[in-house]
Amino acid sequence: GIQVEQSPPDLILQEGANSTLRCNFSDSVNNLQWFHQNPWGQLINLFYIPSGTKQNGRLSATTVATERYSLLYISSSQTTDSGVYFCAVEKNSGYSTLTFGKGTMLLVSP
Amino acid sequence: EPEVTQTPSHQVTQMGQEVILRCVPISNHLYFYWYRQILGQKVEFLVSFYNNEISEKSEIFDDQFSVERPDGSNFTLKIRSTKLEDSAMYFCASSWVTARGALDTEAFFGQGTRLTVV
Repeated sequence: GIQVEQSPPDLILQEGANSTLRCNFSDSVNNLQWFHQNPWGQLINLFYIPSGTKQNGRLSATTVATERYSLLYISSSQTTDSGVYFCAVEKNSGYSTLTFGKGTMLLVSP
Repeated sequence: EPEVTQTPSHQVTQMGQEVILRCVPISNHLYFYWYRQILGQKVEFLVSFYNNEISEKSEIFDDQFSVERPDGSNFTLKIRSTKLEDSAMYFCASSWVTARGALDTEAFFGQGTRLTVV
C-alpha cells in the first residue's frame, strides 16, 4: 500500500514561533488532507489539498503532487495549536479510503 | 456547518460483550467510513460503505465487525464479541463522492467514540 511519512515526529515551539511540517507519500494521490487532533482526540479538518497552495488564517499548506510531498506551515504559533497533526492521503486507485501518517506531535509553550 | 456526529462519546464494556457504535453522517454524503486509532498510534482504516454495501475493508475488519445503515440517517459499527485489543478511538467519517473521477473527495470525521474494553 501507499506509504505516508511525516516529519518531524515531535516539535516543541515557543509561542509566536513559525514551523513547517512535512508529509511525503510514495505514490500518486487523488486526495490529501491535513488534520489537527486536539487533546480531546477530535480530528479537525485543516486542509483538503491534493495540489496547490491554500491558506486559512495563520495556517497554510502546499502540496507538490508531482514530487509527492505536502507542507503545512504554522505561523505565529499559539498554545492552542498544540496537538498532533496528521497528513492523510487517498491513493489514486478508485477507492476513497485515507491512509494516515504517524503524525507530528506539536507542543507550543507559553 | 454540517458535521458528523457520533454516539456515545465514551463506552466501557466487558470483554466478550457486543457493542454498537453509532454515527450520523453529513446528510448529503454518499460514502461512509469507520476508522480506528489505538492510543498513541496512527489512524487506521476499517471499512467503507456505499449504496448499502461494503465497498472496501481492511484486514482489521474481520468477522467480529459489521456495519449497517439501518435507516436514512444512521450508520453503525457493531463489534460482536469485544476483545481487550479492540480498545481504541473509533471515528466515523463521510464524504460526498469517491475518487472515481470526482473533483472533491474530502472526508469529514466525527468527534470519535472512545471504546474501553475491560
